[in-house]
Amino acid sequence: NAGVTQTPKFRILKIGQSMTLQCTQDMNHNYMYWYRQDPGMGLKLIYYSVGAGITDKGEVPNGYNVSRSTTEDFPLRLELAAPSQTSVYFCALRGTGNTIYFGEGSWLTVV
Amino acid sequence: ILNVEQSPQSLHVQEGDSTNFTCSFPSSNFYALHWYRWETAKSPEALFVMTLNGDEKKKGRISATLNTKEGYSYLYIKGSQPEDSATYLCAFTNSGNTPLVFGKGTRLSVIA
Repeated sequence: NAGVTQTPKFRILKIGQSMTLQCTQDMNHNYMYWYRQDPGMGLKLIYYSVGAGITDKGEVPNGYNVSRSTTEDFPLRLELAAPSQTSVYFCALRGTGNTIYFGEGSWLTVV
Repeated sequence: ILNVEQSPQSLHVQEGDSTNFTCSFPSSNFYALHWYRWETAKSPEALFVMTLNGDEKKKGRISATLNTKEGYSYLYIKGSQPEDSATYLCAFTNSGNTPLVFGKGTRLSVIA
């Protein structure tokens, strides 16, 4: 997956718990993204970053926070997990030729 | 919010059949159109990035065309094989700094 590593791969959370999905890249690219994928809904953009220190909301940012203190890391935080956040999460970066490279995905269930 | 539509939502074809599906996007302020192949339990992988009206790209048995004036792209698969079974996503952006907007995908099942 072209140098995009995200963890954990699977996680079960209780309602109200918090957690951080980690995303790290070793390709030194500026643009990074967090998407969620729900059945029949395609990929929805949560947050994105155009470089260290800069983040922006995407289409579905509510309930999430991000930070980008370094080029390499772009963690996604869920502060108060809700059942609506049960989803598959993909971290991605924009590489050479504007191609998007995705991490392997994180399956999150909130119960 | 930009709207990217893909059709059909799903289709089943027999092994050896050729097939195609459509991606529609806004025809104004075009920058790039991407196609991705997404197998179950894996992450999406890039097929094509298309930037010019009239572009045609090919990778093996898969090819794509682009019409930016009317806002559509076609993805063709020639002689479908079971390993082609996947969801095919298209994504559009209207500038080099704007994130891609993805369609909901076309889910292809190739029956042996």
